Amino acid sequence: KNQVEQSPQSLIILEGKNCTLQCNYTVSPFSNLRWYKQDTGRGPVSLTIMTFSENTKSNGRYTATLDADTKQSSLHITASQLSDSASYICVVSDRGSTLGRLYFGRGTQLTVWP
Amino acid sequence: EADIYQTPRYLVIGTGKKITLECSQTMGHDKMYWYQQDPGMELHLIHYSYGVNSTEKGDLSSESTVSRIRTEHFPLTLESARPSHTSQYLCASSEPAGAGGTEAFFGQGTRLTVV
Repeated sequence: KNQVEQSPQSLIILEGKNCTLQCNYTVSPFSNLRWYKQDTGRGPVSLTIMTFSENTKSNGRYTATLDADTKQSSLHITASQLSDSASYICVVSDRGSTLGRLYFGRGTQLTVWP
Repeated sequence: EADIYQTPRYLVIGTGKKITLECSQTMGHDKMYWYQQDPGMELHLIHYSYGVNSTEKGDLSSESTVSRIRTEHFPLTLESARPSHTSQYLCASSEPAGAGGTEAFFGQGTRLTVV
């Protein structure tokens, strides 16, 4: 069964600190993995995309890693800001369907305190 | 910023009312989707469309219906709303799957409350 599991479920950090969010998946055949940021009451917005051959990709203070062998990904946030408070969703796309099927994790709810 | 729009953003209605949630995109995408999301939970696919006159049910059973008469428009209708329909509804569209795979662009969502 294709699944995406994220941890931790929620996380509270102080402004300026770093944090790392985890994503494990069983989706096969794998196409790509995206991290989305979803602010409360809004739609998800894509942060990074990683394909099978990519190990690391950065977008400003966000750095995503992918280990396709162990089917694990992480999202590292550096020097957190209050505006980073949101839900971070790991989304894995399969390669085997015309739908380009997307599998969503439940998200990690990040709260940044001043 | 993605050009996909949902209206209304918030809706509070009484039980038994008929409602239509609107979704429009200006990117010319053939594929469009409706997801349902409860607080703190993952997105569940309830409807999708490959193009005009194409609609399919998703993984999560839903009493809602959809139509796709025009490429840019994918409305969702509830004939008789119930409190169990209270949730956030997210519309998305996607570009064709290529080397980079499929990316979905999401609307802002409609927060529906049925009282």
